[in-house]
Amino acid sequence: DQQVKQNSPSLSVQEGRISILNCDYTNSMFDYFLWYKKYPAEGPTFLISISSIKDKNEDGRFTVFLNKSAKHLSLHIVPSQPGDSAVYFCAASRSGNTGKLIFGQGTTLQVKP
Amino acid sequence: DTAVSQTPKYLVTQMGNDKSIKCEQNLGHDTMYWYKQDSKKFLKIMFSYNNKELIINETVPNRFSPKSPDKAHLNLHINSLELGDSAVYFCASSQAGRAVAKNIQYFGAGTRLSVL
Repeated sequence: DQQVKQNSPSLSVQEGRISILNCDYTNSMFDYFLWYKKYPAEGPTFLISISSIKDKNEDGRFTVFLNKSAKHLSLHIVPSQPGDSAVYFCAASRSGNTGKLIFGQGTTLQVKP
Repeated sequence: DTAVSQTPKYLVTQMGNDKSIKCEQNLGHDTMYWYKQDSKKFLKIMFSYNNKELIINETVPNRFSPKSPDKAHLNLHINSLELGDSAVYFCASSQAGRAVAKNIQYFGAGTRLSVL
């Protein structure tokens, strides 16, 4: 039972345009959500997060939107750069659950120059 | 200076062997984790230790045994390796304590295990 899903395995975007990566979850008890970025042969690196009490969090070119009623979050990258090409993982956790993160299966983003 | 370091980076071994993967973090975190990324690229939690105490133990064969000599180290020992154990294993750490929602975990570069 996959509680966090990223239904698009890959996304290709032109440099300078917006990249939108999507994530859906099924467990309404999740109250904290994170996005990680992963390059080949490296570990995932933390990118941005959002608490369930918010619906938007912005950090430079990266913005995460949370729609609790739809159990959906998205990561917007504007403008996209070739260095953003990587695998992006969505993850979720809930309070009182020992800090366990549940990951989606990842979306490979390719930003073309 | 690497924050979370794993050794070895690559591990090729025969079925039935016993092997260990080591992990060290210099971030001063109190919690460490082991994840497995399988061929379908899912990252799944295996174990977590908080201050040397096991707090997460997912449904993992008991051939896998984590050991935490201190809060900066979490090693993974695997007995009687099987073909299905081939995967990339990631170590992570966080300053999470037990019941903290804002759990930002920092990952090592991974250990690619190939069982032949």
